This record gives sequence, structure tokens and C-alpha cells, in this order.
Amino acid sequence: EVHLVESGGGLVQPGGSLRLSCAASGFSFRAYWMSWVRQAPGKGLEWVANMKQDGSEKFYLDSVKGRFTISRDNAKDSLFLQMNSLRAEDTAVYYCARDWGEWRGLAEYFQHWGQGTLVTVSS
Amino acid sequence: DIQMTQSPSTLSASVGDRVTITCRASQSISSWLAWYQQKPGKAPKLLIYQASSLESGVPSRFSGSGSGTEFTLTISSLQPDDFATYYCQQYNTYMWTFGQGTKVETK
Repeated sequence: EVHLVESGGGLVQPGGSLRLSCAASGFSFRAYWMSWVRQAPGKGLEWVANMKQDGSEKFYLDSVKGRFTISRDNAKDSLFLQMNSLRAEDTAVYYCARDWGEWRGLAEYFQHWGQGTLVTVSS
Repeated sequence: DIQMTQSPSTLSASVGDRVTITCRASQSISSWLAWYQQKPGKAPKLLIYQASSLESGVPSRFSGSGSGTEFTLTISSLQPDDFATYYCQQYNTYMWTFGQGTKVETK
């Protein structure tokens, strides 16, 4: 069974940093595109970033480019999101999500999701 | 970026009703569209992919149709477990975007 467990969320001041982690199990992590998707309180879903199986390609939402960095450790079945220069508008539940198919050339849709971790940016 | 617009934003319905949600893309996305269901405090759940393919384990009362710029999600007979918020998502480009959501609530 596929399991994705996020951690690392919390309260941080504007301008601060936070590193989110996603521990994966139940599938061959190295074979899948992995993504971060967020949801601000009471709002809709917003894709944030994703990364190819071997880390050779990464894509980011325009509003987080230059501030957030996605990375992965295939040896440890883990996905990360380093978030710097955080703003109030980054406050959200951050979900780790797995793409649908193995060894796809590009991310498509999100077949499996973690339970999310809450990031609150406030002074 | 491709904008996804869902309508209505809120839908009031009763158990047994046929429910239809529309999703429009700002440009053609062929059939590269997925639908998700989300309940309060829970992660989204994949229902439909490639506009009309039903994800394994999803009840057959859910169906999707459309191509190009206009898509629909239909629930043929609304069940108590179906009261939730539904999102469409396009995967035609390098920027993956969601609709703003449609909340299905009890009439």
C-alpha cells in the first residue's frame, strides 16, 4: 500500500525558512515523479513544485521560484521542500503527491497523496 | 498559464439527484484532465483521469466527459458519501493547475 507521510510544518515568521519532508513507502519511489501541492486555509488546491525520477528536471509555481527548492533522496525514499523567504501567503497545508505511472516522461496527475503538513507564516 | 474555471462554485443537491459539475480551460488541453474529491480535513482523492477514465475503486456513479476546453463530472445518483468539494486539474502543460473547486452540499 502506498504511504506518503509529510513532516516539518509549523509556525514561522515572515522571511523565515522551513524544510518539509515526505517519507514514502509501499512503492518504488525512484520510479515516480513527485510533487508538492498546497492548500491555503479555506481555499483551493495549488500545485507548488515537482521533480523527475532522477532529479534531472524540476518545475516550480512562479510565485515560489527562487524561494523554494524541491529535492529528493531516492536511497531514502524521501522528498523535500526547502522553503526560504516565507511570506504570509505561503500559509497552507502542504501535501506530498505521487504521480500515477512509473517512469513517465512528465508529471501528469496525482494518484496518491499524503495527509499534509500545516505551514503557518505569521509574526 | 492555463486557467481552469469550475461552475458552479457551490451546488445544493439531495441524495439520489443527478449532479453535473463543469470545468472550462482557458485553452485546449485535449483530454489531459483529472477530477478529485476532497472532504474536510482530508487529502484529495483521485476520481477520474484523462477526462473520462475512472480510477480503480471509484464507484461507477462517477463519470467524466469532454475534451478541448470543456469538461464535466457527473454523479448519476448522489449518495451521502458524495457531499464534498470537487476539483478539476489540467496536466497539458508544465504548469499544473486546478479549478477553484465546487462544493456539493445538502439541499
